[in-house]
Amino acid sequence: GAGVSQSPRYKVAKRGQDVALRCDPISGHVSLFWYQQALGQGPEFLTYFQNEAQLDKSGLPSDRFFAERPEGSVSTLKIQRTQQEDSAVYLCASSPSASGTDTQYFGPGTRLTVL
Amino acid sequence: KQEVTQIPAALSVPEGENLVLNCSFTDSAIYNLQWFRQDPGKGLTSLLLIQSSQREQTSGRLNASLDKSSGRSTLYIAASQPGDSATYLCAVSGNTDKLIFGTGTRLQVFP
Repeated sequence: GAGVSQSPRYKVAKRGQDVALRCDPISGHVSLFWYQQALGQGPEFLTYFQNEAQLDKSGLPSDRFFAERPEGSVSTLKIQRTQQEDSAVYLCASSPSASGTDTQYFGPGTRLTVL
Repeated sequence: KQEVTQIPAALSVPEGENLVLNCSFTDSAIYNLQWFRQDPGKGLTSLLLIQSSQREQTSGRLNASLDKSSGRSTLYIAASQPGDSATYLCAVSGNTDKLIFGTGTRLQVFP
């Protein structure tokens, strides 16, 4: 069975460019999460979807960050006008229910480097 | 605001030793606590999930305990092996579904 997949695995962007990161969750999973992991740190929450509804975006660091999940499956995290401080690994996770008691299954992440 | 701390930050041990990794959190109002493993350049793999009503969970050589009232959890690894070398992350969830992570313990087990 397929796990959570993310693409691209690596992205290099010049400062000021826009980037789009894709997450394919496990089929049928209701909840989808995005996290940002800086080097040597634990992941930090960015945003949460329940089906297509974005229920929590409190972790998005600025209005340059935008996430969507229009059909309740695939999600895209978009970063506009990238800055060097955006360099990090972006992790996507999904879980089967909306109860908050299930394990979250993580993808391999997208490593973003902004030059 | 919930904060999660892990001690030690790094650990290097010979193969065969029994290990204890520590995790503490500041707000005891949690739904669950999870331990994850992260290999370099990889995503996170869930090891154990303890619901707030539980005291411990076991999987193979791993045992995790939870003392919610004192805000502490420990991950016990028995008979460590070189393949256990990785970063171990502790995370808690509260009344929202998001996970709040510690900074991890980097474990190296040498032959």
